[in-house]
Amino acid sequence: EPEVTQTPSHQVTQMGQEVILRCVPISNHLYFYWYRQILGQKVEFLVSFYNNEISEKSEIFDDQFSVERPDGSNFTLKIRSTKLEDSAMYFCATGKRNEQFFGPGTRLTVL
Amino acid sequence: DAKTTQPPSMDCAEGRAANLPCNHSTISGNEYVYWYRQIHSQGPQYIIHGLKNNETNEMASLIITEDRKSSTLILPHATLRDTAVYYCIVTSGGGADGLTFGKGTHLIIQP
Repeated sequence: EPEVTQTPSHQVTQMGQEVILRCVPISNHLYFYWYRQILGQKVEFLVSFYNNEISEKSEIFDDQFSVERPDGSNFTLKIRSTKLEDSAMYFCATGKRNEQFFGPGTRLTVL
Repeated sequence: DAKTTQPPSMDCAEGRAANLPCNHSTISGNEYVYWYRQIHSQGPQYIIHGLKNNETNEMASLIITEDRKSSTLILPHATLRDTAVYYCIVTSGGGADGLTFGKGTHLIIQP
């Protein structure tokens, strides 16, 4: 069964550094999403992406965040200047319409 | 999206049916009821969704009341691997819509 994959599984970075989180979607999926989950808290929606542009974004997804599909396959989330409060598990999800399939997540630790 | 209310935790004996309730009294006519689960910090996993008819798949059954103000997810023969947090989410279901996760129900399957 096809799966969403994410790399790296764990990223440690210094405050103020840029990080790029990568996701390989399931091949025939058209919709792409990023979510985050701070330890012990709810899963929070960040952004959705369709037809090579952002479809919806939450208040969390400010100018520090960006997404792209640089090569038509990988889907990336960039955080330009990380803050301590960006430490969280970041989940990529992909879907066709009615279901979203989540990856295993990248644990981001900002020191 | 309509707000949902779920009990914070439930226990169920292994091999028995687990029935997880969800109230969504403000659901509107075009909104679907979705269920996802999250097993110990893994990515959320889609289970099932429905609009007004009852639905069944290989994982679970979804019973939606006639007035659509509440629903029940049924895991027919719960196993230890079904221990997870279960989320009931109401959404219009458009492909680009982000999901709004609440706190869910922590279902613990007892041996």
